[in-house]
Amino acid sequence: GNSVTQMEGPVTLSEEAFLTINCTYTATGYPSLFWYVQYPGEGLQLLLKATKADDKGSNKGFEATYRKETTSFHLEKGSVQVSDSAVYFCALSPIKAAGNKLTFGGGTRVLVKP
Amino acid sequence: EAQVTQNPRYLITVTGKKLTVTCSQNMNHEYMSWYRQDPGLGLRQIYYSMNVEVTDKGDVPEGYKVSRKEKRNFPLILESPSPNQTSLYFCASSFRSGPNTGELFFGEGSRLTVL
Repeated sequence: GNSVTQMEGPVTLSEEAFLTINCTYTATGYPSLFWYVQYPGEGLQLLLKATKADDKGSNKGFEATYRKETTSFHLEKGSVQVSDSAVYFCALSPIKAAGNKLTFGGGTRVLVKP
Repeated sequence: EAQVTQNPRYLITVTGKKLTVTCSQNMNHEYMSWYRQDPGLGLRQIYYSMNVEVTDKGDVPEGYKVSRKEKRNFPLILESPSPNQTSLYFCASSFRSGPNTGELFFGEGSRLTVL
């Protein structure tokens, strides 16, 4: 079946540090890949996505590249802010998914200290 | 404002007492879904609906029911709640097809505790 594995947190950083959250997946074919972010007390919201190999998704200074050869979609940001403190979820949507079914990873909590 | 609205946001109940968590979206989305979020497990899909009167089981449907009588509403029903249903629940919606497939819009969550 489909699965998403992401690094366990929490990840604690200082402001302006470089952030990387690893995400690898297992799926049949070439799924679409997503990063969702959950700020404290809120629901998830889409951060970025990539729909085919070598695509780079980007938003709010975050980037992730769809690597078919390593089945990975690592999230990066060059200089984090306190406001980036949140839980980040990697997810995939198989090509032949029932509806818009997303398979989520376990989430990575990021805490940015001033 | 485009949004998914869930109620209640917080609920403490006792084993066996039927409850309903409501979900409403104002974006004319065909697709709606319920997820539960548990520590270390990420989000797991409970039920989903492709359109009015069309519902299907997700990965963890046991102990839950849903209905889709109107396009905007997708309530989650716990007929006889048990403590293992203590969780944070999210409703989500999206268009059913097209280039934005997979871009789910989430509600703010409903934290349920079953004693």
